[in-house]
Amino acid sequence: AQSVSQHNHHVILSEAASLELGCNYSYGGTVNLFWYVQYPGQHLQLLLKYFSGDPLVKGIKGFEAEFIKSKFSFNLRKPSVQWSDTAEYFCAVIGTSGTYKYIFGTGTRLKVLA
Amino acid sequence: GAGVSQSPSNKVTEKGKDVELRCDPISGHTALYWYRQSLGQGLEFLIYFQGNSAPDKSGLPSDRFSAERTGGSVSTLTIQRTQQEDSAVYLCASSLPGGINQPQHFGDGTRLSIL
Repeated sequence: AQSVSQHNHHVILSEAASLELGCNYSYGGTVNLFWYVQYPGQHLQLLLKYFSGDPLVKGIKGFEAEFIKSKFSFNLRKPSVQWSDTAEYFCAVIGTSGTYKYIFGTGTRLKVLA
Repeated sequence: GAGVSQSPSNKVTEKGKDVELRCDPISGHTALYWYRQSLGQGLEFLIYFQGNSAPDKSGLPSDRFSAERTGGSVSTLTIQRTQQEDSAVYLCASSLPGGINQPQHFGDGTRLSIL
């Protein structure tokens, strides 16, 4: 079955700590991968995406993610978090052809303490 | 510019009633998606529109759910004979032509509560 797993449901960090949020997927075939973020009181917005090429992709606000095909993973990282990174983060996957059905994870709530 | 607009932002209704949720996409966005987010769950794909047609409606959970899109713009998601398990946030997203390579732009959602 097609699925996305985000094992960390809640993460609490102090400012300047490093962040890594896990995302593993189960999907037959080649995929495109995304991270979306929802800041408090705002709508979901795209943080970064992977389609092909360099498996290390960089997004907005200093975030990056690495696609490891052998591990079916697309973990999100940031070397030093800020209070303003407090948000909910969603990983998503979609096949590269013949589908419009995005599969989202259940999200990870990140709280950064000032 | 204007983003994706959804109305109402909140809807409370009694079990068994019909509800209509509206999505007004960004101008020029031919692709439109509906999702449902239940408490503690991720976004669940419901339906995808390209223009006025829906090539993928595989996510609609039952025949009580239907959606239409007219004029390649506004879309309405209708839930008939609502049940308590329909309580969720319903999100709409739109994107430019170009398929899955285009990022989705999300609305703020409609929070539906079935009493």
